[in-house]
Amino acid sequence: QVQLQQSGPGLVKPSQTLTLTCAISGDTISSNSVAWNWIRQSPSRGLEWLGRTYYRSKWYNHYAVSVGSRITINPDTSKNQLSLQLNSVTPEDTAVYYCARDQGIAVAVNWGQGTLVTVSS
Amino acid sequence: ETVMTQSPATLSVSPGERATLSCRASQSVSITLAWYQQKPGQAPRLLIYGASTRATDIPARFSGSGSGTEFTLTISSLQSEDFAVYYCQQYDNWPPTFGQGTRLEIK
Repeated sequence: QVQLQQSGPGLVKPSQTLTLTCAISGDTISSNSVAWNWIRQSPSRGLEWLGRTYYRSKWYNHYAVSVGSRITINPDTSKNQLSLQLNSVTPEDTAVYYCARDQGIAVAVNWGQGTLVTVSS
Repeated sequence: ETVMTQSPATLSVSPGERATLSCRASQSVSITLAWYQQKPGQAPRLLIYGASTRATDIPARFSGSGSGTEFTLTISSLQSEDFAVYYCQQYDNWPPTFGQGTRLEIK
């Protein structure tokens, strides 16, 4: 049974970097039939798919234009986890952040528990 | 980016009755359409993908239909645990996009 356990701070100051981690159990991050995603949810923006990473002989990343060059998703094969970094945050980035696993198509089958991140000074 | 529009925003239905939720895409997404259920304080749960294929362990009272730009989620006989918010999501093009949700409430 696949489980995703998220961790990271719940409060980030404006202009700083938001960093979250998603620990994976029940699957391997470098599996060549799945992908790993970050999705966020806020009252103002709804559900928003931020990015996706997967391994197919090499690592691929896809990011949403809405977060542009501010986002980095990194797989860590030694710890079987993935991370999200979002730079230069503003209050607009306040949301519940989820990591999610898909099975090769961008449909989120397994979800982390969610982390509420508030951007405030 | 494909815009997904759900209707109605809120649907009031009595337990045991049928609920029909709609989702429209701003451009054709073929059948690359998923439905999720979300309860307060929980992550969304996948119900349907490929417009009509139920995900693992999803009861048969949930069914999806449609293609192109018009899609429907039907819950045939509402149980108490079905009252929640439902989202559609397209995955035909990047980035995947969600509708704004339909809140299904008890009448």
